[in-house]
Amino acid sequence: EAQVTQNPRYLITVTGKKLTVTCSQNMNHEYMSWYRQDPGLGLRQIYYSMNVEVTDKGDVPEGYKVSRKEKRNFPLILESPSPNQTSLYFCASSSLTGTPKGDSYEQYFGPGTRLTVT
Amino acid sequence: RKEVEQDPGPFNVPEGATVAFNCTYSNSASQSFFWYRQDCRKEPKLLMSVYSSGNEDGRFTAQLNRASQYISLLIRDSKLSDSATYLCVVNRDDMRFGAGTRLTVKP
Repeated sequence: EAQVTQNPRYLITVTGKKLTVTCSQNMNHEYMSWYRQDPGLGLRQIYYSMNVEVTDKGDVPEGYKVSRKEKRNFPLILESPSPNQTSLYFCASSSLTGTPKGDSYEQYFGPGTRLTVT
Repeated sequence: RKEVEQDPGPFNVPEGATVAFNCTYSNSASQSFFWYRQDCRKEPKLLMSVYSSGNEDGRFTAQLNRASQYISLLIRDSKLSDSATYLCVVNRDDMRFGAGTRLTVKP
């Protein structure tokens, strides 16, 4: 089954304690990204990766790190979490699909990680 | 100004109604356009892509107006199961999401 998995699904932690949220996809997609979703703000991109060893900042990269050592994995690292990083996090992957009408990126999302930093 | 703007709603409609959502985007260099659906506390899922020639899938029709920089989604004959948040997504170099429009279809 084609899917994106994230772990953990729920996490409560304290300020300053380093954490990693893992993301893995089994669709051989080149493109992967991380988003956070907050009420009224929608999904905002944190980091994205076009391929192995290629990562770029999104809209809200401060306080986060990522790595892309393998095509299937794209972990999100919070070196020193703070309460303003309390949010719902989604990992996504996609591959460019051409159609007769035009290009179509279908992003497949993981189930989300609800993070609370106290 | 947000790059992708949507009316947050909520839209409360009876079953069988026709409902339309609009979304505007600010970057004229945007290349691809999509509507995603998100159920409460779940991950977003692609509903349909939006092409310059329009796109229809059953009860759903999506249109793109590049000159005015807006896209629309029309849902005909609404079902209870259509209740969700609909996200407008615009792709340039990366994906930009609107904050979503919440739809509730009532019996």
